[in-house]
Amino acid sequence: NAGVTQTPKFQVLKTGQSMTLQCAQDMNHNSMYWYRQDPGMGLRLIYYSASEGTTDKGEVPNGYNVSRLNKREFSLRLESAAPSQTSVYFCASRDSADTQYFGPGTRLTVL
Amino acid sequence: RKEVEQDPGPFNVPEGATVAFNCTYSNSASQSFFWYRQDCRKEPKLLMSVYSSGNEDGRFTAQLNRASQYISLLIRDSKLSDSATYLCVVTNTGFQKLVFGTGTRLLVSP
Repeated sequence: NAGVTQTPKFQVLKTGQSMTLQCAQDMNHNSMYWYRQDPGMGLRLIYYSASEGTTDKGEVPNGYNVSRLNKREFSLRLESAAPSQTSVYFCASRDSADTQYFGPGTRLTVL
Repeated sequence: RKEVEQDPGPFNVPEGATVAFNCTYSNSASQSFFWYRQDCRKEPKLLMSVYSSGNEDGRFTAQLNRASQYISLLIRDSKLSDSATYLCVVTNTGFQKLVFGTGTRLLVSP
């Protein structure tokens, strides 16, 4: 089992560029999440998906869109990147005991 | 007031010391509680769940105090490898969102 995988690991964008962060899990979990982590701010929820075909906003959804492509995959899209979106992005899935399993993260810099 | 609050630290302790962290939560309806560990530049990983009666896993003991709305983590006989940030996590059963504290940083020195 690979658990939760994310691509890319690192990315540098210019302001206004777009990109999609990919996430996949092989644990057959229904729920998946996207977080961002900034120094001193902790993990903040961007979007989540309780099951295939559903998505909901979290604490900081502005500037992002998501797609739950199937049960395995949950992608995060930045349509027009801004320097304020420089962060570390974590994808996670959740099991029936409420335990979250995180991917290794994507370090994004927006210049 | 933040939903989950932790002392950011850092807590600097020598090897072999005992150290304790507290975490307070504001939602009295919270039902599930966890401690996660995050190493520098890595993803958070589950350390242990916290049960109502308290629970122990080797050198780690977690306790829940519902009346005062806090959970605690005690680490005995600290090792250098315990150096990390410890995140407190709270959720409500059936709710989809887990709330993470900002973490407490622990540095164990030789």
